[in-house]
Amino acid sequence: GAVVSQHPSWVICKSGTSVKIECRSLDFQATTMFWYRQFPKQSLMLMATSNEGSKATYEQGVEKDKFLINHASLTLSTLTVTSAHPEDSSFYICSASATGQGFYEQYFGPGTRLTVT
Amino acid sequence: AQRVTQPEKLLSVFKGAPVELKCNYSYSGSPELFWYVQYSRQRLQLLLRHISRESIKGFTADLNKGETSFHLKKPFAQEEDSAMYYCALSGPAYNTDKLIFGTGTRLQVFP
Repeated sequence: GAVVSQHPSWVICKSGTSVKIECRSLDFQATTMFWYRQFPKQSLMLMATSNEGSKATYEQGVEKDKFLINHASLTLSTLTVTSAHPEDSSFYICSASATGQGFYEQYFGPGTRLTVT
Repeated sequence: AQRVTQPEKLLSVFKGAPVELKCNYSYSGSPELFWYVQYSRQRLQLLLRHISRESIKGFTADLNKGETSFHLKKPFAQEEDSAMYYCALSGPAYNTDKLIFGTGTRLQVFP
């Protein structure tokens, strides 16, 4: 089956520093990857759609200069949280889109827990 | 506005009891509806989608366009069904298959 990995699985950083999270599709090529944010006991909120070789499309209210997304290859997208603050602490989840059985399906990574101190 | 509503945060049943997790949506057009499941300490995974009309792990869901609902049902709950369930939609209005998620319902099945 299609597998998506994320690295790191958890990270603690100091306020004001930047953190990079990687999302990889391990056994398939994904032209589109998605980044979500999940607060405790809440739903997934789509942050941005990442297309290989082009600029990411951000959802309303998501600061593109703060959450930098790069989709340099068909198997890798990165999310960089710049100048992190404690309110950026959250669970970040990526997904990669692939076609299976004729339907598009999103395969989700395990998530990255970011804690900003 | 496109929206998915799951009115119940928590649903608790005993093993063998029927289960219905409610999902209502707001969408101008013909959406595609999904149910995703997240078991404890595992990643989110697709349970079923309305277009495939499958029954997965005994769960079914029927799209009711008149009531704009996509409730998830299982006649006899099992303990291993305990998980977080998310209803989601995407639609042809989007250029990509981006998903809008509901707030989720935690299903607890007691022995």
